[in-house]
Amino acid sequence: EPEVTQTPSHQVTQMGQEVILRCVPISNHLYFYWYRQILGQKVEFLVSFYNNEISEKSEIFDDQFSVERPDGSNFTLKIRSTKLEDSAMYFCASRTSGRAYEQYFGPGTRLTVT
Amino acid sequence: AQSVAQPEDQVNVAEGNPLTVKCTYSVSGNPYLFWYVQYPNRGLQFLLKYITGDNLVKGSYGFEAEFNKSQTSFHLKKPSALVSDSALYFCAVREAGSSNTGKLIFGQGTTLQVKP
Repeated sequence: EPEVTQTPSHQVTQMGQEVILRCVPISNHLYFYWYRQILGQKVEFLVSFYNNEISEKSEIFDDQFSVERPDGSNFTLKIRSTKLEDSAMYFCASRTSGRAYEQYFGPGTRLTVT
Repeated sequence: AQSVAQPEDQVNVAEGNPLTVKCTYSVSGNPYLFWYVQYPNRGLQFLLKYITGDNLVKGSYGFEAEFNKSQTSFHLKKPSALVSDSALYFCAVREAGSSNTGKLIFGQGTTLQVKP
């Protein structure tokens, strides 16, 4: 069964450093998402991406964040200058076309900013 | 604004007993509702969804959920719990509509503990 994959599983970085989190969505999916989950808190929407552009972003997704689909398979989330409060589990998700379909989530990348 | 509430942080049941994990939602239009399960160190796995039609929907692993529009609820149920059902369960909602990008709004999660 096709799966969403994410790398790395755990990333430790120092405050102020840039990080890139990588995701490979399910191959025939067209809609892509990033969510994050701070320890002990809700899963929060960050950004949605369709047709090679951002379709919606949350207040969390400020100028420090960017997304890219560089080669038709990978979907990346970049944080330019990490802060302590960026420490969280980051989930990538994808879904097929149509408005009602469920999203399939990757296993997540745990980002620890020190 | 859209929101989801899961009023119980933890639900404890004995193996073989029925289980219910509660969820209520708030959207301005028609809802699409989802349940996901998260096992330790794993991503969120889709369990079931309500889009339209029959209020009782069936999903993976014997789970089902009942959509109640008047109570704005979508409680997750299973007739006979298994120890292996122990996990973190999330309810999520998105608003139906052509302009919706499909983003999900999640509840805070409910830990289900099934004891032998």
